Amino acid sequence: DIVMTQSPDSLAVSLGERATINCKSSQSVLYSSNNKNYLAWYQQKPGQPPKLLIYWASTRESGVPDRFSGSGSGTDFTLTISSLQAEDVAVYYCQQHYTTPVTFGQGTRLEIK
Amino acid sequence: EVQLVESGGGLVQPGGSLRLSCAASGFTVSSNYMSWVRQAPGKGLEWVSVIYSGGDTYYADSVKGRFTISRDNSKNTLYLQMNSLRAEDTAVYYCARDVLIWSSAWYFDLWGRGTLVTVSS
Repeated sequence: DIVMTQSPDSLAVSLGERATINCKSSQSVLYSSNNKNYLAWYQQKPGQPPKLLIYWASTRESGVPDRFSGSGSGTDFTLTISSLQAEDVAVYYCQQHYTTPVTFGQGTRLEIK
Repeated sequence: EVQLVESGGGLVQPGGSLRLSCAASGFTVSSNYMSWVRQAPGKGLEWVSVIYSGGDTYYADSVKGRFTISRDNSKNTLYLQMNSLRAEDTAVYYCARDVLIWSSAWYFDLWGRGTLVTVSS
């Protein structure tokens, strides 16, 4: 199975500042045939189910604010929130959709400093 | 409205059984890949099982031989039959709609609110 490792485990950022969350996969999730990275990001607020933010490493789901962006390739990926808002407090998960079984990172808790 | 609503969770003793349901609206379950994903209290997400649109089913090693995924097309509902339950199966169980594009694996674009299963004596 592909192991997904996120860093840091928790993060505190001031309102309006940039937040960066990292995700590393134990093997590449890049499909050479279409040059796409099969990596998704989710946001989970307390008491709620996860919400899809990004797939293919950098494609935002419809309705997701453009302050959320994804980048990276191969085994190393980043979720960036360009200007943190109060409603962004949540736990963020990465997930590889390259092969089965699909696997998730352990989560990164984002708080306001 | 497109949504998923789980039910059937509760308290069960170790070794017992439980059947979870997930009623879908706004789309057709049988036309999609559908999964169950669980989250132990205070922990991360773990994929549990999938049913393909063609009916094939697959399971995580942790539940293989104990859990069975199925669907009722007439009710547009997904199920998870859980037998021989263990304390480590305690979790919120979410049903989710899978998206596959140019891949054999998937991400999840629609989630239910989940149902809590507690395995304890």
